Amino acid sequence: NAGVMQNPRHLVRRRGQEARLRCSPMKGHSHVYWYRQLPEEGLKFMVYLQKENIIDESGMPKERFSAEFPKEGPSILRIQQVVRGDSAAYFCASSPPLGDTQYFGPGTRLTVL
Amino acid sequence: GENVEQHPSTLSVQEGDSAVIKCTYSDSASNYFPWYKQELGKRPQLIIDIRSNVGEKKDQRIAVTLNKTAKHFSLHITETQPEDSAVYFCAASLSGYALNFGKGTSLLVTP
Repeated sequence: NAGVMQNPRHLVRRRGQEARLRCSPMKGHSHVYWYRQLPEEGLKFMVYLQKENIIDESGMPKERFSAEFPKEGPSILRIQQVVRGDSAAYFCASSPPLGDTQYFGPGTRLTVL
Repeated sequence: GENVEQHPSTLSVQEGDSAVIKCTYSDSASNYFPWYKQELGKRPQLIIDIRSNVGEKKDQRIAVTLNKTAKHFSLHITETQPEDSAVYFCAASLSGYALNFGKGTSLLVTP
């Protein structure tokens, strides 16, 4: 049973470019969460999605950031016009319906030059 | 919103000793409290969790206690081993919703 998958594992972008991060939840999981981790800091919640629905985006910056979890395919976190401050590790986690345990993916390490 | 404080930020113990990490939370509605271990460059891994209807939970060398009245919970690791060295994060949430993490404790176990 594959765990939570994320790709790419490492992503390098120049300022002003777009970054797309993908997350495939564990089999049977329909809830996806995205977190951001700055160097030597804790994880900060960004957005919580279920299939085709954004449930809570209170942690996501209002501009340049968007997320989706379509009926088919992975969840995508999209960052437009990246800036150096967007450099961080982005983790997604998934949980089953009616469950509260979240399992994390390996993360995508974004570097903005 | 929920605010989670975690102490200490660093902890160094000798192999075989016990380690205790403490967290407090602010939102009395929180009812789910997981602990994650993160090794350098790796994903956070759930090591133990506790729900608000339970005061203590044990799993081999790891135990977690919860005091809902005081709004604090603690992680206890007994008979520490060098492979326990990592960063440990506590979190609090309303079940099924976003996890609010503490800033982490860097644990070093020296042989």
